[in-house]
Amino acid sequence: DIQMTQSPSSLSASLGDRVTITCRASQSIYSYLNWYQQKPGKAPKLLIYAASTLQSGVPSRFSGSGSGTDFTLTISSLQPEDFATYYCQQAYSSRTFGQGTRLEIK
Amino acid sequence: QVQLQESGPGLVKPSQTLSLTCAVSGGSISSDGDYWSWIRQFPGKGLEWIGYIYYSGSTYYNPSLKSRLSISVDTSKNQLSLKLSSVTAADTAVYYCAREGSINLGWFDPWGQGTLVIVSS
Repeated sequence: DIQMTQSPSSLSASLGDRVTITCRASQSIYSYLNWYQQKPGKAPKLLIYAASTLQSGVPSRFSGSGSGTDFTLTISSLQPEDFATYYCQQAYSSRTFGQGTRLEIK
Repeated sequence: QVQLQESGPGLVKPSQTLSLTCAVSGGSISSDGDYWSWIRQFPGKGLEWIGYIYYSGSTYYNPSLKSRLSISVDTSKNQLSLKLSSVTAADTAVYYCAREGSINLGWFDPWGQGTLVIVSS
């Protein structure tokens, strides 16, 4: 099984901050990496697929990069609606998710 | 746009079979290239992919659940179903259905709202 490890597990930041979340795979997954945002009581929402492609309708302040085993999700300038939990998910072999990164207001 | 809605019992007894249905609206479950997945989220918030089905009936299951799992599709009703047998408290979770729009890239969008299933006597 491919394990996905996110860091940090939680993060405090202020409005307007630039934030980066990291996701590491236990083996190479090439670019088969997707990112989701989840707000309390809601289903996850797709933000980025194939490591760096922004899903339609997602604000351009979100971006993704990486390949192989190391990936990042960056939010360029935090907005109030961005405080949520973020998950990465690999699709190279079966499907597995990272444990999540909770982004909180400082 | 495509919308998904899960339904089923919210409480299941240990050792019994968990059965859920996902109704697809706003689009056809038989759409070429669309796969339909079940995903669950445990109380501690971890997410686990359960498996997917294509409208032809072709399936792919999470190996860790394969021995207890059955996913089926009813194209006439535009819905898919999940059956998980011999459940224990460890199967307590919110269960989501989702469209997997690209089997190669493996992304899930959209998701249903989810349904909480508690396994308890």
